[in-house]
Amino acid sequence: GESVGLHLPTLSVQEGDNSIINCAYSNSASDYFIWYKQESGKGPQFIIDIRSNMDKRQGQRVTVLLNKTVKHLSLQIAATQPGDSAVYFCAETLGNAGNMLTFGGGTRLMVKP
Amino acid sequence: KAGVTQTPRYLIKTRGQQVTLSCSPISGHRSVSWYQQTPGQGLQFLFEYFSETQRNKGNFPGRFSGRQFSNSRSEMNVSTLELGDSALYLCASSQTADTQYFGPGTRLTVL
Repeated sequence: GESVGLHLPTLSVQEGDNSIINCAYSNSASDYFIWYKQESGKGPQFIIDIRSNMDKRQGQRVTVLLNKTVKHLSLQIAATQPGDSAVYFCAETLGNAGNMLTFGGGTRLMVKP
Repeated sequence: KAGVTQTPRYLIKTRGQQVTLSCSPISGHRSVSWYQQTPGQGLQFLFEYFSETQRNKGNFPGRFSGRQFSNSRSEMNVSTLELGDSALYLCASSQTADTQYFGPGTRLTVL
């Protein structure tokens, strides 16, 4: 993913709406992808993951979609709540690369009550 | 289970000094990875230790080093600190090569 530094892309949504956060990953050989949520002053928190043999995985209120053809990952959050406000990162890794994660630049999600 | 813990949480150093940061992984996790987070470069992988051996290394100068102890606790060291080393240093642990769980980080400020 591309780092955008201080000027993170921002997604602003109304409470109760669905959110979609997108990520373009860099390595076509990556086979494991993770979404993390980072709140101010905290470390990244695991949300959901997906392996390259799948194109969709659902969790509680979250869904991850993987499109390997265009190297695109998305995170869908249903019924977005104020507590979902945070910076979201996608990360990719190769299964044989141990735990060397490559992170995208992040997207800031702001939920308006 | 207790989460990943990092000490200290905040640190202020001056240029030229060295610093050691500590990470205690989740009980039973044998892999510990370190990341640097800055506004300009985002989250970047430093290195990973598994069973006391460095398994992967990112693209950082030799001033950045680490080690892992037999109880899986890990330390990272930065020598000859530079202003650009100011960052949030994050530690993550996992059982093998799967989901990594992050600690709260150590905020290092170099003056």
